[in-house]
Amino acid sequence: QLQLQESGPGLVKPSETLSLTCTVSGGSISSNYYWDWIRQPPGKGLEWIGSISYSGSTYYNPSLKSRLTISIDTSTNHFSLSLTSVTAADTAVYYCARRWLYYGLWGQGTLVTVSS
Amino acid sequence: DIQMTQSPSSLSASVGDRVTITCRASQDISGSLAWYQQKPGKAPKLLLYATSKLESGVPSRFSGGRSGTDCTLAISSLQPEDFASYYCQQYYTTPYTFGQGTKLEIK
Repeated sequence: QLQLQESGPGLVKPSETLSLTCTVSGGSISSNYYWDWIRQPPGKGLEWIGSISYSGSTYYNPSLKSRLTISIDTSTNHFSLSLTSVTAADTAVYYCARRWLYYGLWGQGTLVTVSS
Repeated sequence: DIQMTQSPSSLSASVGDRVTITCRASQDISGSLAWYQQKPGKAPKLLLYATSKLESGVPSRFSGGRSGTDCTLAISSLQPEDFASYYCQQYYTTPYTFGQGTKLEIK
């Protein structure tokens, strides 16, 4: 069955770029779903980051848009997040998720800490 | 952005109790609302979508309703595994937004 797995550095320095990858296994990323990133600061609620379709159409949260890039590689079945100029406020558990309107499938999440 | 105001932020209840959580949207979302359950250290799990449709495999003690811009999640006869945090989410328009969450604790 389809599974999602986030990967990337757990520690990023302030002002640097946070880069994460979500690998889709057990099925194809080239399907009529959207592939999203969502984050959750420690002890806080959930924030939608952005979304990409298999054809590469993107939708970004306006609060992050100037720093955000989401990309997809259908040949290797993964999609990626890049967030530039990070600060401590970007410290969170980052989830990738599959969306068909709502989120029926999530990765396990990965904690990214922004600290020098 | 559509603001989702969820209440209460925390709730204490006993096994067997019935509880209700409310989510109010700042504008009409035409029933485009989902509910998730999250346990510590785990990803959220979809419970209901389209306000009241139960996700496959979710026990029937979970139900959803709507009155205008207010949506509710009800859990009848709480089980020990139901003590967790719950979030609503609107998918009517971007940016998709979540409620602040309700932490359901054992009394």
